[in-house]
Amino acid sequence: AQKITQTQPGMFVQEKEAVTLDCTYDTSDPSYGLFWYKQPSSGEMIFLIYQGSYDQQNATEGRYSLNFQKARKSANLVISASQLGDSAMYFCAMREGHGGSQGNLIFGKGTKLSVKP
Amino acid sequence: GAGVSQSPSNKVTEKGKDVELRCDPISGHTALYWYRQSLGQGLEFLIYFQGNSAPDKSGLPSDRFSAERTGGSVSTLTIQRTQQEDSAVYLCASSLTGWANQPQHFGDGTRLSIL
Repeated sequence: AQKITQTQPGMFVQEKEAVTLDCTYDTSDPSYGLFWYKQPSSGEMIFLIYQGSYDQQNATEGRYSLNFQKARKSANLVISASQLGDSAMYFCAMREGHGGSQGNLIFGKGTKLSVKP
Repeated sequence: GAGVSQSPSNKVTEKGKDVELRCDPISGHTALYWYRQSLGQGLEFLIYFQGNSAPDKSGLPSDRFSAERTGGSVSTLTIQRTQQEDSAVYLCASSLTGWANQPQHFGDGTRLSIL
């Protein structure tokens, strides 16, 4: 079973509008972290935002916020006031446990966001 | 620069040859990770280093793949007897510690093409 599901292969948004990118996850571990990364066409993976499973408040970083609904196992990324430079692939990822012996991020298949002028 | 550095940025080689990919993590980062990204498979984890040891190498696809890290810094990923299915972008990442709440910061990757 997929551990990270991103159901939107592609999305369009008008410049200056807000957009929500969906992510649902599956884990039985009570301790986990959720991450969002941006990958422009140039290829680099850019860390955007992190949410821990025990965090009480939704994470925010500038124009990025994470709508964390633990009971529904969803961690949607909200980008406010979209800019042309936001056009990119966006990946949701999860790391289970506290770290230590388990290293890997589990990635979703990504959502390609296109911002229209 | 201050980021994760990978070399070479591109590598083209013939099937059956060995290749070595290098990763220089962010200074002071104790944890280092290798992933590969291909169109069909998405982003796949390969191996994780904490210091010079690899507590998680569960993602290495076959015994043709190996990796080492020396001095708690530079890491090399070696692929022996390359096959066409090894063609992918190999990404290296590092984090300050191995704790799960630490973001992993990625290099620009090595694009490997096997002819």
